[in-house]
Amino acid sequence: DGGITQSPKYLFRKEGQNVTLSCEQNLNHDAMYWYRQDPGQGLRLIYYSQIVNDFQKGDIAEGYSVSREKKESFPLTVTSAQKNPTAFYLCASTQTGGRYGYTFGSGTRLTVV
Amino acid sequence: QQPVQSPQAVILREGEDAVINCSSSKALYSVHWYRQKHGEAPVFLMILLKGGEQKGHEKISASFNEKKQQSSLYLTASQLSYSGTYFCGTGVAYGGATNKLIFGTGTLLAVQP
Repeated sequence: DGGITQSPKYLFRKEGQNVTLSCEQNLNHDAMYWYRQDPGQGLRLIYYSQIVNDFQKGDIAEGYSVSREKKESFPLTVTSAQKNPTAFYLCASTQTGGRYGYTFGSGTRLTVV
Repeated sequence: QQPVQSPQAVILREGEDAVINCSSSKALYSVHWYRQKHGEAPVFLMILLKGGEQKGHEKISASFNEKKQQSSLYLTASQLSYSGTYFCGTGVAYGGATNKLIFGTGTLLAVQP
């Protein structure tokens, strides 16, 4: 079955470390997204990509980086510059054209220790 | 700027109806509705693309007033399975179709027996 796989499910980061969250999809979707979810704040857009080798900053991109070398993969790196990284991170994908719903992965819960 | 959802939370008895509203300060191309169970990924419910269009999904339907930049989600004869947090996602019209969604802060719906 097609879908989006996020890994790991839980991740612990020490102060000053960079960590990378994986997102892989086999839906043949061109567009992929990273959202951060904090309690009471809904989903906030970090980065998005409409095609391979191209991506744009969302509303809260500071302290994060991404790459899109393959259509299927859109990893997110949380750098040490992100001062408050503890959150639930969701990856999503959709077909281009603005007429289709998003498919979300099951999320990665990142905690700073 | 995030769309505003109201109410923030609602508690229902099985069989009761509810309306969740989503209001944006920007001109909209599309409105999506999603439901998220605790600790899980959001699940796509429906998308609305035209002003005044109403769509249905079982006993859940929605309307989109393009002029007022508002959408409403209607849940009728609620079931226990309807419990969760509902998010609207708005596609802003940047001179054409766009996939990028800005999500509201969510409405927590609890259905009790």
